[in-house]
Amino acid sequence: DQQVKQNSPSLSVQEGRISILNCDYTNSMFDYFLWYKKYPAEGPTFLISISSIKDKNEDGRFTVFLNKSAKHLSLHIVPSQPGDSAVYFCAASQGGGKLIFGQGTELSVKP
Amino acid sequence: DTAVSQTPKYLVTQMGNDKSIKCEQNLGHDTMYWYKQDSKKFLKIMFSYNNKELIINETVPNRFSPKSPDKAHLNLHINSLELGDSAVYFCASSQSIRGARYGYTFGSGTRLTVV
Repeated sequence: DQQVKQNSPSLSVQEGRISILNCDYTNSMFDYFLWYKKYPAEGPTFLISISSIKDKNEDGRFTVFLNKSAKHLSLHIVPSQPGDSAVYFCAASQGGGKLIFGQGTELSVKP
Repeated sequence: DTAVSQTPKYLVTQMGNDKSIKCEQNLGHDTMYWYKQDSKKFLKIMFSYNNKELIINETVPNRFSPKSPDKAHLNLHINSLELGDSAVYFCASSQSIRGARYGYTFGSGTRLTVV
């Protein structure tokens, strides 16, 4: 049973436009949500997180929105750049250090 | 200077062999993890150690045995390798058990291929 789901395996966006990556979860006990970025042959790199008591967190071009009633979060990247092309993973913290990851969305930003 | 380093990066071995993957972190973190990324790209936790103490042990076959000689090292030993063990294995660390919310630091992964 997958508690964190990213239903879009891929997304293509034009450079300069907004990229919106989505994530759904089922467990209302998650206390933190995180986004990671992964390039081929590298480990995931932490991007941004949000507490379950917040609805928005912003860091530069990256903003994460949390809708607890819908059990949905999204990552907005504005403006998108070609260097943002990577696989993005959504993850949820269940306590005890354990993160549960979605299956990733591959973002392609076209020049 | 690499924060979380794991060796080897690639490992090709025959079924039935025993192999180890080593991981070291120089961040001063207390908690270390092993994650497995399978062919469907899911990243799933296998083990976590906090100050050399086993904290999380997911439903992993007992052919997999983690060893933490000190809090900067977490090695993974796999006995009697099977075809289904082929995957990318990631080591990671965080400041503490509660530090996962601030993001783990991952190693670059070890691609294990069992033939």
